[in-house]
Amino acid sequence: DAGVTQSPTHLIKTRGQQVTLRCSPKSGHDTVSWYQQALGQGPQFIFQYYEEEERQRGNFPDRFSGHQYPNYSSELNVNALLLGDSALYLCASSRTEFYGYTFGSGTRLTVV
Amino acid sequence: AQSVTQLDSHVSVSEGTPVLLRCNYSSSYSPSLFWYVQHPNKGLQLLLKYTSAATLVKGINGFEAEFKKSETSFHLTKPSAHMSDAAEYFCVVPLSNTGKLIFGQGTTLQVKP
Repeated sequence: DAGVTQSPTHLIKTRGQQVTLRCSPKSGHDTVSWYQQALGQGPQFIFQYYEEEERQRGNFPDRFSGHQYPNYSSELNVNALLLGDSALYLCASSRTEFYGYTFGSGTRLTVV
Repeated sequence: AQSVTQLDSHVSVSEGTPVLLRCNYSSSYSPSLFWYVQHPNKGLQLLLKYTSAATLVKGINGFEAEFKKSETSFHLTKPSAHMSDAAEYFCVVPLSNTGKLIFGQGTTLQVKP
């Protein structure tokens, strides 16, 4: 049984560009959350998707947007990349209830 | 507002000695609390969780944590450290009815041979 799968594992982008990160949740999970983890910091909540809608959002600008598909997979899009967007982006899935999160290994985004 | 504070950014122990990673929480009620571990270049793995049942919680890999309401603490312990325990550890509280997890700043555990 596959866990949470994220792609790509590493990515290098230039400041001002746009990026799309992808997440396939664990089988049986219908809720996907995205977190940003800067170097040496704890993960920060970006947003959560359930039933193809954004259910909760953290303190991130509108440059960060997302999408959830009918098969529960999700994308995180970041526009107008800044150097400060360089981080590990983690996807977590769960079955609606809040206490059964499974995290992926993350996508390491470097903005140069 | 709910929050967690990890009291040590870095802990170093010798293999075979006890591990203590400290976490204090702030909440107006008895929260749920988790400990996660993150090995280098890996995702986060749930070690254990407290959800207002037994105050002493046993987790994977020999770790356990005790919820102490009087001290607002949820410290993580292990009797004997393994080299494989070297990793980053996060104390986490879920924000009620939101699905959002609030992470502490993390504690780096170093295990010396």
